[in-house]
Amino acid sequence: TQLLEQSPQFLSIQEGENLTVYCNSSSVFSSLQWYRQEPGEGPVLLVTVVTGGEVKKLKRLTFQFGDARKDSSLHITAAQPGDTGLYLCAGSNSNSGYALNFGKGTSLLVTP
Amino acid sequence: KAGVTQTPRYLIKTRGQQVTLSCSPISGHRSVSWYQQTPGQGLQFLFEYFSETQRNKGNFPGRFSGRQFSNSRSEMNVSTLELGDSALYLCASSWVGGPYMNTEAFFGQGTRLTVV
Repeated sequence: TQLLEQSPQFLSIQEGENLTVYCNSSSVFSSLQWYRQEPGEGPVLLVTVVTGGEVKKLKRLTFQFGDARKDSSLHITAAQPGDTGLYLCAGSNSNSGYALNFGKGTSLLVTP
Repeated sequence: KAGVTQTPRYLIKTRGQQVTLSCSPISGHRSVSWYQQTPGQGLQFLFEYFSETQRNKGNFPGRFSGRQFSNSRSEMNVSTLELGDSALYLCASSWVGGPYMNTEAFFGQGTRLTVV
């Protein structure tokens, strides 16, 4: 059972465009993380959000945690080819302990 | 500092065989988790170890097992391999502590297991 639903599954855009990726759940999470994974590599942690309504910025990436701590979004401004990869959200709560529940990911392709 | 190291990077095994994968966590990280990644199911949690004790276990059959050593290094074992076990197996280490349950995971490059 996938606790976290990500949308869209695939996204192909031109360099310079903006995009938003969504991560939704019916469960409440104590913390939620975003990772980026490139082919043949392990996921790399981008950000952790823990407070409902929290917004974090990482250069051109903006992450938001929903007020109810059930959903999150990742917005990329002026996407670049280097942003290409699989974006994964992962959440944990008291039920999961230290286990992370991952969404299936959004595969992003940014073409020049 | 050095990242999470997984060995081997690639493995090809035959159905019915068993396999052992190894993971060395980041220095100072005492929690090690294992995940299976497949195109259809995404990343799924296998188990997590802390101080040589398994604290969490995912919904996988008993053929999947693991252990952690006193130096925090971990191994996972899959016995009686099936074709469906073909996947990328990822190990992640975490630092335990801080004001909240810290689940920030630092992943290795993974071991690509192919069962034929």
